[in-house]
Amino acid sequence: AIQLTQSPSSLSASVGDRVTITCRASQGISSALAWYQQKPGKAPELLIYDASSLESGVPSRFSGSGSGTDFTLTISSLQPEDFATYYCQQCNSYSFTFGPGTKVDIK
Amino acid sequence: QVQLVESGGGVVQPGGSLRLSCAASGFTFSSYGMHWVRQAPGKGLEWVTLIWNDGSLKYYADSVKGRFTISRDNSKNTLYLQMNSLRAEDTAVYYCARSIRHFYMDVWGKGTTVTVSS
Repeated sequence: AIQLTQSPSSLSASVGDRVTITCRASQGISSALAWYQQKPGKAPELLIYDASSLESGVPSRFSGSGSGTDFTLTISSLQPEDFATYYCQQCNSYSFTFGPGTKVDIK
Repeated sequence: QVQLVESGGGVVQPGGSLRLSCAASGFTFSSYGMHWVRQAPGKGLEWVTLIWNDGSLKYYADSVKGRFTISRDNSKNTLYLQMNSLRAEDTAVYYCARSIRHFYMDVWGKGTTVTVSS
């Protein structure tokens, strides 16, 4: 099964900062990767799919890039509502895996 | 509005069974595949199972294969998860989620909590 790793596992940042989170797959997955945001006690929300497509209604400060094994999620200017945990997710042969998550908190 | 509402969670002894339901509204349920995803306390997300829109294909995580069964009733706009031979490690919040492009989950319910404990 394909494994996903994320780095960093956590980070502290300030409002207005540019934040980049990396997701690496154990083998190539083309562009079949999504990013989700989860706040404490809430369900995850889809941000990005197909590695770089912005889900409808998601602010444009979120962007995704990458293909193959290396992917990034970038928040161009961190807002107070963006403090949360972020997960990448892949699908290969209808076996789905999530990364371990990156927690973004307030510096 | 598009909504998913899970129910059926609770406390069950190891080896026991439970059936979860997910009621869908606000969209054409029969046009979408559906997932179950779980999250153990303080842990990350774990995909559990996927069913195609017409129920013709089903996929399971190795951790639940042979113990859990996903099904759906498109006439009732409802998704189900039958969980048998439950173990302590099945303790989690269980979310149902709508599938888009077969690969991703674009609408999630609020979750229902399953606790397996003696």
